[in-house]
Amino acid sequence: KAGVTQTPRYLIKTRGQQVTLSCSPISGHRSVSWYQQTPGQGLQFLFEYFSETQRNKGNFPGRFSGRQFSNSRSEMNVSTLELGDSALYLCASSSGGNRGTGELFFGEGSRLTVL
Amino acid sequence: GENVEQHPSTLSVQEGDSAVIKCTYSDSASNYFPWYKQELGKRPQLIIDIRSNVGEKKDQRIAVTLNKTAKHFSLHITETQPEDSAVYFCAAGLSYIPTFGRGTSLIVHP
Repeated sequence: KAGVTQTPRYLIKTRGQQVTLSCSPISGHRSVSWYQQTPGQGLQFLFEYFSETQRNKGNFPGRFSGRQFSNSRSEMNVSTLELGDSALYLCASSSGGNRGTGELFFGEGSRLTVL
Repeated sequence: GENVEQHPSTLSVQEGDSAVIKCTYSDSASNYFPWYKQELGKRPQLIIDIRSNVGEKKDQRIAVTLNKTAKHFSLHITETQPEDSAVYFCAAGLSYIPTFGRGTSLIVHP
């Protein structure tokens, strides 16, 4: 079974630009969540999608948005990039079939550098 | 919302020693407590989890304990090996999205 796939793996942008990151979950997983990882800050939750609906959202500004398609693939977008947006963006999928918790399967991440 | 504090941020031990990482959480309704390990340059992976109806769980050299009254839980690694060197994240939650701690960098010296 293929794991969680994220593209692109690395990207460099300049301030003010926007970026779109993609995540393909494990086949059969309907929940996709996104995390921002920076040194010393751990894994900060951005948002979670289940069956094309945003089910949960973290405390990030509106410049961060996402969506999920009918095949469960998800994208996140960051507009008007700031230097502080430089981070590793991790996507995780899970079965998410009910409101009980379950194992999160992470992708390798997209490393964004904002210059 | 849930707030998870994790200590220490860095832990250095000699091979063969034990390592303990401690976490506290704020939401008494949380009932799921997973631990993830992230090796350098790799993705986080679940190593063990515990639910609130269980006080302790073991899996070979790793164990997790939970004290719901005090709202804290701990990861114990015995007989540490160099391959245990990684960043460990605790998490706590009620829903399908747990809140993560900031991580502990464990360094095991041969």
